[in-house]
Amino acid sequence: QKEVEQNSGPLSVPEGAIASLNCTYSDRVSQSFFWYRQYSGKSPELIMSIYSNGDKEDGRFTAQLNKASQYVSLLIRDSQPSDSATYLCAVMRGSTLGRLYFGRGTQLTVWP
Amino acid sequence: NAGVMQNPRHLVRRRGQEARLRCSPMKGHSHVYWYRQLPEEGLKFMVYLQKENIIDESGMPKERFSAEFPKEGPSILRIQQVVRGDSAAYFCASSDTGQGYEQYFGPGTRLTVT
Repeated sequence: QKEVEQNSGPLSVPEGAIASLNCTYSDRVSQSFFWYRQYSGKSPELIMSIYSNGDKEDGRFTAQLNKASQYVSLLIRDSQPSDSATYLCAVMRGSTLGRLYFGRGTQLTVWP
Repeated sequence: NAGVMQNPRHLVRRRGQEARLRCSPMKGHSHVYWYRQLPEEGLKFMVYLQKENIIDESGMPKERFSAEFPKEGPSILRIQQVVRGDSAAYFCASSDTGQGYEQYFGPGTRLTVT
């Protein structure tokens, strides 16, 4: 079983729609969760972090964490073509602090 | 620019040569992490360092790879006797603490082994 799993996509949504990205993780003692955005040929850019159950909102982005279900998601409201990128879910386990485990990423395309 | 800096941005080496990748963390950050991204694969952790200490090197290949973060100067990832399978993007990230805090990535070094 992979540490972090994401739907590979591609996910395609129209401009202005809500994009929903999902991620599951295998280690129950994971304690820190991150979403990164990576444009083709570029480095990952941190867009959200979440540490406790519930929702965390930052502008058009909302991260949702459910530790009981070992599930973390990212919602992008009012999607824009500039949001088209690969979104990486990353998890930090309590037993290996500092080390991030990444999913393979979900490719998102927002069409005008 | 207070972001994470990496150099060189592109590096070409012939098989058997050595590659040295440098990383200067974000200002105020004392924790450095190296990750590798192979074509069509995800990001894989390699090593976590603090000044003069290796905290976790469990992701580093046992041979040919080494990393350091000296008291003065940038962190260095060194790959000896490169092989074509080492061709990848190598990213450095930094944080202000290792315990659950956010890691910020540099632009990466694209290594090509010919």
